[in-house]
Amino acid sequence: DTEVTQTPKHLVMGMTNKKSLKCEQHMGHRAMYWYKQKAKKPPELMFVYSYEKLSINESVPSRFSPECPNSSLLNLHLHALQPEDSALYLCASSRHNSGSYNEQFFGPGTRLTVL
Amino acid sequence: DAKTTQPPSMDCAEGRAANLPCNHSTISGNEYVYWYRQIHSQGPQYIIHGLKNNETNEMASLIITEDRKSSTLILPHATLRDTAVYYCIVRVDAGNMLTFGGGTRLMVKP
Repeated sequence: DTEVTQTPKHLVMGMTNKKSLKCEQHMGHRAMYWYKQKAKKPPELMFVYSYEKLSINESVPSRFSPECPNSSLLNLHLHALQPEDSALYLCASSRHNSGSYNEQFFGPGTRLTVL
Repeated sequence: DAKTTQPPSMDCAEGRAANLPCNHSTISGNEYVYWYRQIHSQGPQYIIHGLKNNETNEMASLIITEDRKSSTLILPHATLRDTAVYYCIVRVDAGNMLTFGGGTRLMVKP
């Protein structure tokens, strides 16, 4: 299995809702990532988990809360989002958090719309 | 990580080689050149990476100049499915951060 899967594919939520995005990989990778991509812009790194511990938080607002329950799963909990948070949220994984041949494998993304 | 400069868009005829340039004049000795692409509505896909030698795999070739200040990604026989945004990224191999620049939007035309 060489895939990163993300659910749901699309999500529409109101500003008072609480929702979660899910990401899963079964490649034995020990680093997992969340990126945010606005329309016609490049992806921007949000969080990095290494061996199930948060290692990088790129100054992301607290309304985004990541969680890594085990080495295969990565969640992004959403609460009190703003319309400007509407974007494609991409999950990625890599074998380790450093070293050669450490390419990142990306999922298809969750397209989030905040009303 | 060093900054990269790529042309915003390029066209290529189907079946011809697509040569995508990238400038990274401030690259450091321990920084690698990575290429990813993003086909519309999909997540980015790793293509190839290199340090100073030219590299080739089943998808593409990477040519890095001797001074390492620029590189070229070559898709030898472009197909319509190669239409995508191509990102050149320079990063320290010991790190795990990918900083995407603007990329080049490659349009392969019949």
